Amino acid sequence: DQQVKQNSPSLSVQEGRISILNCDYTNSMFDYFLWYKKYPAEGPTFLISISSIKDKNEDGRFTVFLNKSAKHLSLHIVPSQPGDSAVYFCAASFFTGTASKLTFGTGTRLQVTL
Amino acid sequence: GAVVSQHPSWVICKSGTSVKIECRSLDFQATTMFWYRQFPKQSLMLMATSNEGSKATYEQGVEKDKFLINHASLTLSTLTVTSAHPEDSSFYICSARDRGGGDYYEQYFGPGTRLTVT
Repeated sequence: DQQVKQNSPSLSVQEGRISILNCDYTNSMFDYFLWYKKYPAEGPTFLISISSIKDKNEDGRFTVFLNKSAKHLSLHIVPSQPGDSAVYFCAASFFTGTASKLTFGTGTRLQVTL
Repeated sequence: GAVVSQHPSWVICKSGTSVKIECRSLDFQATTMFWYRQFPKQSLMLMATSNEGSKATYEQGVEKDKFLINHASLTLSTLTVTSAHPEDSSFYICSARDRGGGDYYEQYFGPGTRLTVT
């Protein structure tokens, strides 16, 4: 049962344009969401996060939007740069009382073209 | 700051042998470390959560006797794949949570270890 889904396995965007990566989740217990960037044969790198009490969080070129009623979040990258080309994973978490575990989506490969 | 290293980065072993992977937090203390595996073009799947000084908690479907986890200190956790088989070939990634502060949910990931079992 995939609780966190990224339905687009790949996305191609022109340099300078906006990249929008989407993520859907099913577990209403999730209260914290994160986006990670990953290059092949490397570990994920944290990008940005958002708590469920917010609907938007911005950090430089990256903005994450959360729609709790739709159980949907998105990552906007503006403007997109060639160095942004990587696989992006969204992850969701909730505190169980003893630990918080991350559940990852399947990833979206972003290709930023010149 | 918040650097996590893994060793080795790449290992090839013969079927039936055991392989140990180390995960170290270099500049912070980690009471909790996580082990993930990733198959090609798939998501990162949590295998187990390890807390310093106590037994690891394994996710459903993960064989604890096959994947031995030891979190002996606040900066080191090890994953030993025992009696490895070709289907164990995968990319293993560890992460650590900073005991000293920062976001409770945030995990810092190591660079991963690619295991190939022949």
